[in-house]
Amino acid sequence: NAGVTQTPKFQVLKTGQSMTLQCAQDMNHNSMYWYRQDPGMGLRLIYYSASEGTTDKGEVPNGYNVSRLNKREFSLRLESAAPSQTSVYFCASSERQGRGYTFGSGTRLTVV
Amino acid sequence: SQQGEEDPQALSIQEGENATMNCSYKTSINNLQWYRQNSGRGLVHLILIRSNEREKHSGRLRVTLDTSKKSSSLLITASRAADTASYFCATDGNDYKLSFGAGTTVTVRA
Repeated sequence: NAGVTQTPKFQVLKTGQSMTLQCAQDMNHNSMYWYRQDPGMGLRLIYYSASEGTTDKGEVPNGYNVSRLNKREFSLRLESAAPSQTSVYFCASSERQGRGYTFGSGTRLTVV
Repeated sequence: SQQGEEDPQALSIQEGENATMNCSYKTSINNLQWYRQNSGRGLVHLILIRSNEREKHSGRLRVTLDTSKKSSSLLITASRAADTASYFCATDGNDYKLSFGAGTTVTVRA
């Protein structure tokens, strides 16, 4: 099925561990985004990539890094996980800026 | 910080009734979008309304936009159990990054 694929779906990390969340889209979209969703706070933008080869910080970038590996793939890395990073992470893509987003099904991350 | 703020936070209606939720925002926008999220799932794009549009329809959805009041509304007509979900407004500003509100949780009772 066409869309945005995120892996893994669930992950438990210990404080200080690192991990990479993977995201791939097969719609030939130019722009890709990483959001986190916490209860009662809606979605907050972590990083985005307006086009292949560019990445920019969003609202809450601290503790994260990203890589736009190619047009299809946009990964999010937690170098040293903290309990405050317990959240549901969503990757999204859009044809270009100013269009609607297609979201993945999310990664539920717990840091203990 | 969140740009859009939805009201009410939660809404419970009977099947067949209409559901209306509102979104207010603070700064100028290029467009405003509405998304639906079913429990445990990703967000699904419902409708996009541009800043020069006042009203838009898509099936049972009707969206209005009043840029002078910096507000939008989403109306779902003839609600069904499958409409039970959280609904989010998202504003697309001059920096072309979507900013989401905290959402309205809609429960449709059979």
